[in-house]
Amino acid sequence: QVQLVQSGAEVKKPGASVKVSCKASGYTFKNYYMHWVRQAPGQGLEFLGMINPIGSNTNYAQKFEGRVTMTRDMSTDTVYMDLASLTSEDTAVYYCAREGHDWQQLDFWGQGTLVTVTS
Amino acid sequence: DIQMTQSPSSLSASVGDTVTITCRSSQRIDIYLNWYQQKPGKAPKALIYAASNLQSGVPSRFSGSGSGTDFTLTITSLQPDDFATYYCHQSYSNPRTFGQGTRVEVK
Repeated sequence: QVQLVQSGAEVKKPGASVKVSCKASGYTFKNYYMHWVRQAPGQGLEFLGMINPIGSNTNYAQKFEGRVTMTRDMSTDTVYMDLASLTSEDTAVYYCAREGHDWQQLDFWGQGTLVTVTS
Repeated sequence: DIQMTQSPSSLSASVGDTVTITCRSSQRIDIYLNWYQQKPGKAPKALIYAASNLQSGVPSRFSGSGSGTDFTLTITSLQPDDFATYYCHQSYSNPRTFGQGTRVEVK
C-alpha cells in the first residue's frame, strides 16, 4: 500500500532553515510527482511547490521562490523540502502529497510535520 | 493565479441531511477540480478527482459535479464520520490553489 512517512516535528529560531523529509513506499517512486502543502494553525491549505523525481525538475509557488528547495534521493525513495529564512509566519504543518496520474489530484498524503518558528 | 472560492465557509447539519458545498474558480479549469476531507489533527484525504470521480474506497454518498468554473460537492445522508472540513483544489495550472475550506458541523 502507498505510504508517505514524514520526519518529526521541528522547532526553529527565526532566520534559520528547516529540512523536512518524506519517504515513499508501496509504489514506483520515480513515476509520480510529489507536492508540498502547508497549513498554518487554524488556516487552510497552501501549495509550496512540486518535484518530479525523474530529473528533479521543480515548480515552486512564486511566494516561496528563492526560499524553498525541493530535492529527492532516488536511492531511498525520499523527497526533501528545505525552507530558509524562517519567520513566525512559517509556523505550520507541512505535508508531502503524491500527485496522481491523469488529473493531478493529490491522492496520498504524508502524516504532516509540525514546524514551529519561535525565538 | 487561479483563485478558488468555496461557500459556505461553515454549515451546521444533522445526521441524515443532504449537504451541498460549492466551489468557484476565477478562471475556467475544465474538470481539473478535486475535493478533500480533513479532520482535526489529520492529513487531508482525497475524496473526488476530476470533478466527479470518487477516489477508491470513498463511500457513494459523496458525489461531485461541475465543469468550467462552478463545482459542487454533495454528501447525501450525512453520517457521523462526515463532520469535517472540506477543501476544493484546482490541478489545472500552477500554482495549484485550494479553496478556503468549508467546515461541516453538528447541528
